[in-house]
Amino acid sequence: SYELTQPLSVSVSLGQTARITCDGYNLGSKDVHWYQQKAGQAPLLVIYSNRYRPSEIPARFSGSKSANTATLTITRAQAGDEADYHCQVWDTSTGVFGGGTKLTVL
Amino acid sequence: DVQLVQSGAELKKPGESLKISCQVSGYTFTNYWIGWLRQMPGRGLEWMGVIYPSDSDTTYSPSFQGQVTISADKSISTAYLQWNSLKASDTAIYYCARRDSSLALAFDHWGQGTLVTVSS
Repeated sequence: SYELTQPLSVSVSLGQTARITCDGYNLGSKDVHWYQQKAGQAPLLVIYSNRYRPSEIPARFSGSKSANTATLTITRAQAGDEADYHCQVWDTSTGVFGGGTKLTVL
Repeated sequence: DVQLVQSGAELKKPGESLKISCQVSGYTFTNYWIGWLRQMPGRGLEWMGVIYPSDSDTTYSPSFQGQVTISADKSISTAYLQWNSLKASDTAIYYCARRDSSLALAFDHWGQGTLVTVSS
């Protein structure tokens, strides 16, 4: 079965840039979505189709992708960005999530 | 506004049955697929399956096929997730979410989650 690999944790200093990666075989052929999940809350879509932001998501959030790695970049990190971030793709009609990355803002 | 409102927390015993719900509003229920997702304590998200309420076409994750049943009632804009015989390992938060084909099948709106606790 298809797998997505994320780092367990990423730390970033306040105001700096955080990058969270999501690795998967032949990821270049798939649409990658990113969800933010704050403690005790439901997930929130922050990036869809690799690099597009829903209208309510700040431009500080951006997405990119290479052949086998998708990256969520958060610039000017704020305390409110501290959350778990999950990547997700569809593989032959099956939804697949990465294990999630905990972002800590120092 | 699009809203997905899930039923409340449940405490059940192993072997019991359960049906939780997800009532939507703010859009046409039959035009979008609804997905169900599991999050076990301290773990990541797992996709369980999706249903198209217009015709109840359903796709299950191989991991959950035969373990749960997903259904929908168009008349009350509600999707359901059902177990016939719960296990302790079913303890988790369950989310419903709307899947949007115009957003490359991303889940763009989520319910608040239903905590299911299975304990003897």
